[in-house]
Amino acid sequence: AQRVTQPEKLLSVFKGAPVELKCNYSYSGSPELFWYVQYSRQRLQLLLRHISRESIKGFTADLNKGETSFHLKKPFAQEEDSAMYYCALGTNAGKSTFGDGTTLTVKP
Amino acid sequence: DTGVSQDPRHKITKRGQNVTFRCDPISEHNRLYWYRQTLGQGPEFLTYFQNEAQLEKSRLLSDRFSAERPKGSFSTLEIQRTEQGDSAMYLCASSLWTGGETQYFGPGTRLLVL
Repeated sequence: AQRVTQPEKLLSVFKGAPVELKCNYSYSGSPELFWYVQYSRQRLQLLLRHISRESIKGFTADLNKGETSFHLKKPFAQEEDSAMYYCALGTNAGKSTFGDGTTLTVKP
Repeated sequence: DTGVSQDPRHKITKRGQNVTFRCDPISEHNRLYWYRQTLGQGPEFLTYFQNEAQLEKSRLLSDRFSAERPKGSFSTLEIQRTEQGDSAMYLCASSLWTGGETQYFGPGTRLLVL
């Protein structure tokens, strides 16, 4: 069975502080991990995926297969980063399993 | 292309009524997904199509739910004999399947069953 766990429902940091949103997964096959973001009154959209290994809006995420984690990090949070963040696990078959999300608030 | 669209955006219905939602994916995308999202939870997989074929349906989905994608383009999700527990946001997403892909989401249809 596939499972994605985001242990923090809410995360609050000050502008300029580092931020880390945690994601753990369980899956017996070869996983593909994604981070999706939903800004206020906008639709869900891709932030980044592990296979591309790129940095988007200053965010990075490293897949750690040993710890089955895919934590999202940014060294200096900005107010515009305030949003809901979802970690998602994809499989070879295409079905995706989402975590329950973390609401990030970046305070001025 | 303006992205994935869903219609209606909001639906209020009485318990026991049938409702149908429509999703129009990005035109060149061959995969289409339906999810349900309730407050405080992430999107929960319901079903997905590759072209017109329905490849998987969640075991959590009761027989009251049915989805179609007759020509491999738009899709409909029907809920028969709605119950209050069906109240949720219904999300549609599409992708160009190449063996691991980004899903593009629509704005969702919010259903309220009274």
